[in-house]
Amino acid sequence: EDQVTQSPEALRLQEGESSSLNCSYTVSGLRGLFWYRQDPGKGPEFLFTLYSAGEEKEKERLKATLTKKESFLHITAPKPEDSATYLCAVQAGSGGYNKLIFGAGTRLAVHP
Amino acid sequence: GAGVSQTPSNKVTEKGKYVELRCDPISGHTALYWYRQSLGQGPEFLIYFQGTGAADDSGLPNDRFFAVRPEGSVSTLKIQRTERGDSAVYLCASSTAGNTEAFFGQGTRLTVV
Repeated sequence: EDQVTQSPEALRLQEGESSSLNCSYTVSGLRGLFWYRQDPGKGPEFLFTLYSAGEEKEKERLKATLTKKESFLHITAPKPEDSATYLCAVQAGSGGYNKLIFGAGTRLAVHP
Repeated sequence: GAGVSQTPSNKVTEKGKYVELRCDPISGHTALYWYRQSLGQGPEFLIYFQGTGAADDSGLPNDRFFAVRPEGSVSTLKIQRTERGDSAVYLCASSTAGNTEAFFGQGTRLTVV
């Protein structure tokens, strides 16, 4: 059964304190691993898609990496506006469409 | 429109009532998805439309749930005989094709009392 586990559940950082969020997955044939950001009361906002082990993508202070068993979202010198829930998801099934299996998310709080 | 639009943003209904939730996808997006998100959890897949047809409805929890997309654009999620356990945020997403990134709406928060 396809499964996604995110850790930690919650993370509190001081502004400028870099850290990483973890996403472990089990899936029969990875077709894509997705990272989304979700602010309270909003829908998830797309950040990255990774397709193969060794792939990396960056956007501002965020960098996503992928291995055969897990993905990391590295946050460099975070700012308070980076506070949100970060969701990881894998594409499930063989249909090649966005049938995503999400983890429960990591709630990130960055304090000035 | 600029993004996926969902209406209403909030819906409170009594147990046993019927509700309809509406999704306006991004113009030109042929793929449309419904997800359900419970408090403290990630979204759970409900159904996928490619054009007018439901290509995958394997996530619908039971036959009280039904969704349509008659003209290949707007979609409506219909829930009959609502139960308190149906309370959640219902998210709609769309993409240009099935295998491109999906963009989510802000969701409809459904509360069944």
